[in-house]
Amino acid sequence: DAGITQSPRHKVTETGTPVTLRCHQTENHRYMYWYRQDPGHGLRLIHYSYGVKDTDKGEVSDGYSVSRSKTEDFLLTLESATSSQTSVYFCAISEADGDEAFFGQGTRLTVV
Amino acid sequence: AQSVSQHNHHVILSEAASLELGCNYSYGGTVNLFWYVQYPGQHLQLLLKYFSGDPLVKGIKGFEAEFIKSKFSFNLRKPSVQWSDTAEYFCAVRRGYQKVTFGTGTKLQVIP
Repeated sequence: DAGITQSPRHKVTETGTPVTLRCHQTENHRYMYWYRQDPGHGLRLIHYSYGVKDTDKGEVSDGYSVSRSKTEDFLLTLESATSSQTSVYFCAISEADGDEAFFGQGTRLTVV
Repeated sequence: AQSVSQHNHHVILSEAASLELGCNYSYGGTVNLFWYVQYPGQHLQLLLKYFSGDPLVKGIKGFEAEFIKSKFSFNLRKPSVQWSDTAEYFCAVRRGYQKVTFGTGTKLQVIP
């Protein structure tokens, strides 16, 4: 398996609180992605990064922000969590944009 | 925007039965095509991919897929399924320089 670590693996938080999810890779891949997985929707791209400090929005970016200060770390922040953000979040990496993606183990986030 | 349709949401098969899962995408042109598998409680893993060349692609674990350009399809097949193939299967498409779009997934249950 590719070296991708997501933390935390599980989190329960209250509505309105900020939450940060971390993705750490040891593969030195340029591209990193955050997806959310919801029943009936498959995987939807939240944000992605194409280099240190280079990020862009995906199709469901509202309510989320990201940062990438080092090649190996990509952080996803929910500024003020809402119940609609209850989901499983996956980080993925790839060497080239649009190429095979390697996924982390996922973070199950519950907003109550 | 590209859309990916997986019409079969839930498929139940007996062991040794043949499998075909449908995947259709909305626009033509140059496409990169993928099938990923997610075993229960695990992250997504690549089964196979198509970028160019022979439209019949062989992947891991005996899976194959056929790219039919005229039908905008990339169906996944396996001649004889095993109980261990129980998982959720996702088709994904990248058109041109757009981001990869995932289908909503097909849950396969194989009965021993």
